[in-house]
Order: sequence, then structure tokens, then C-alpha cells
Amino acid sequence: AQKITQTQPGMFVQEKEAVTLDCTYDTSDPSYGLFWYKQPSSGEMIFLIYQGSYDQQNATEGRYSLNFQKARKSANLVISASQLGDSAMYFCAMRDTWRGGNKLTFGTGTQLKVEL
Amino acid sequence: KAGVTQTPRYLIKTRGQQVTLSCSPISGHRSVSWYQQTPGQGLQFLFEYFSETQRNKGNFPGRFSGRQFSNSRSEMNVSTLELGDSALYLCASSLEGLAGPREQYFGPGTRLTVT
Repeated sequence: AQKITQTQPGMFVQEKEAVTLDCTYDTSDPSYGLFWYKQPSSGEMIFLIYQGSYDQQNATEGRYSLNFQKARKSANLVISASQLGDSAMYFCAMRDTWRGGNKLTFGTGTQLKVEL
Repeated sequence: KAGVTQTPRYLIKTRGQQVTLSCSPISGHRSVSWYQQTPGQGLQFLFEYFSETQRNKGNFPGRFSGRQFSNSRSEMNVSTLELGDSALYLCASSLEGLAGPREQYFGPGTRLTVT
């Protein structure tokens, strides 16, 4: 069975600083995809970044980058130059592409608070 | 391009009633998945529909059901509502690809309160 672990229930970061949100995963499948989502207090899940298990390079999307370490089964999200609007809940998720379909398994999330 | 839409956004129902939630995916997306989010259980997968067929199913009782129409719009139904069904229900849509889609987009959710 797939499992996603996010060990940081809450994080604080100063505005303009970089922050790393941790995510480790467990799967026995050879092919999978890893996602990060942001969920503000409004509830909508906002897609941030995707990493495929066979991607040669770490994914980047603007201020977001994914530090993918396959051997360690970790997929940490790095947010550079934090902004007040980055305050939200962040979820790491995994999709098993080996079996087909788009079922996502989510971690428990990390609440990020950006301070002045 | 319009995003994923969900209706209604808020709903209050009484125990024992049934409810139907609707999700319209992004144009061109044929896969629609449903998730339940609660403070206690977090985000849990309900089911996924692709081309009008249920492709994956989570571990929920039979009171939870869904369907997908030929235009890819999806509905989920919960019968005989229980207090524990109070949750944010999210749907996600995605394209299909050989190794799976690299993006999955969520709608704003329907917040269901059961009293």
C-alpha cells in the first residue's frame, strides 16, 4: 500500500526567506507520480508542482521546486522568497501510475505561516 | 479556460436524507475523481470515473455512489446521511497520458454539513 508522510504539522518562516516542507513516501511500485498542493483557508486545492518517478531532473515551477531523492523516497517542496500569501496548508500526494488511474494518496499536510 | 466547478458550494442536510453533488471538469478532461476531507481522517479517495466508467474505488460504504455522464460531468450521491458525513467534498479532473497525467486540478469543493 502507498503511504505519504509529512512530519511537520506546522512551520513558520519569515517573509522573503526560503522554506522546505518535508515529504517521504512509501511504495513498492516502479512507476509513480508525486504532487504538491496548497490549500488556503478557502478550501480549494491548488496544484503547485509534479514530479514523475522517472524524471531525470527535479521539477521547478516559479518559486516552487521539488527536491526529489528517489533512493531516500523523499520529495520535499522548497518555496523560495516566501510571501505572506504563501500562508496555507500544504499537502504532498502520490499517484500510482503502475496500476493506472488517477487515485491520489495524501499526506496529513503541513500548515505554513509566513511572518513579517 | 474554465477550471473545475462544483455545485453547490455549501449544503446543510439532516441525518437520514440523501444528497447529490455535482462536478464539471475542465474542458477536455475525461477523468474525474472525488475526495472527502475531514479534520479527523484527512483527505480520502472516494472514487474515480473515466469515460463514464468507475475506474477506482476507495474504502467507503455503499451509501456513497457516483456516476459520470457522456460530457464528463460527474455526480456523487450520499444516501442515508450520517453526522460523520459532514466534510468538504472535492473533485479533481485530469487529462490522460501514457504515464499518467502530470497535472490534476481540483474544484473549490462542496462543504456538506449534516445535522
